[in-house]
Amino acid sequence: KAGVTQTPRYLIKTRGQQVTLSCSPISGHRSVSWYQQTPGQGLQFLFEYFSETQRNKGNFPGRFSGRQFSNSRSEMNVSTLELGDSALYLCASTDRGGKETQYFGPGTRLLVL
Amino acid sequence: DQQVKQNSPSLSVQEGRISILNCDYTNSMFDYFLWYKKYPAEGPTFLISISSIKDKNEDGRFTVFLNKSAKHLSLHIVPSQPGDSAVYFCAADPAGGTSYGKLTFGQGTILTVHP
Repeated sequence: KAGVTQTPRYLIKTRGQQVTLSCSPISGHRSVSWYQQTPGQGLQFLFEYFSETQRNKGNFPGRFSGRQFSNSRSEMNVSTLELGDSALYLCASTDRGGKETQYFGPGTRLLVL
Repeated sequence: DQQVKQNSPSLSVQEGRISILNCDYTNSMFDYFLWYKKYPAEGPTFLISISSIKDKNEDGRFTVFLNKSAKHLSLHIVPSQPGDSAVYFCAADPAGGTSYGKLTFGQGTILTVHP
């Protein structure tokens, strides 16, 4: 099976702009989780989607949002970008989002100038 | 409040020797633990996991030990190889039905295996 794919791999934006990142899970996986990785905070959980519904959310401001489509592909959006949003954004997929191994994509590197 | 801690930012080991990476947790609700390896500019790659009903799980060169009373787990790599050089993260999954898709990660340990 193909792995988790994320597009784009790299992005440069300026403060105040918005950005949309995309994640395609492993075929057959219905749960997609998003994480933000920064040098200071490590990997922090953003949210999880299953069957087009957000089931879990981390401690991030409302500028961070996401959605999931009927084919399980997921997008996350960050509005009004801040310098501190520069990070590696990772998505991971599992079948149901329970006690399962999460398989990660390569990530999208976002740089906010 | 860091619920999963990897207190050693880095570890250096000679090729062929054992690498031991440690992880401590504070939340007694965690009942499933995973280790991931990460190379720069790539996503984390799953290595091995362990459920809280076990105290050891082995997969090839990788063994994870869990000490629930001490809230401590460790990853042993034997023998270590230069290709094992990467950042290693431990992650924890809490019990209960509302923890969907949320892993709590440690800060990572940079392992360097010297030839």
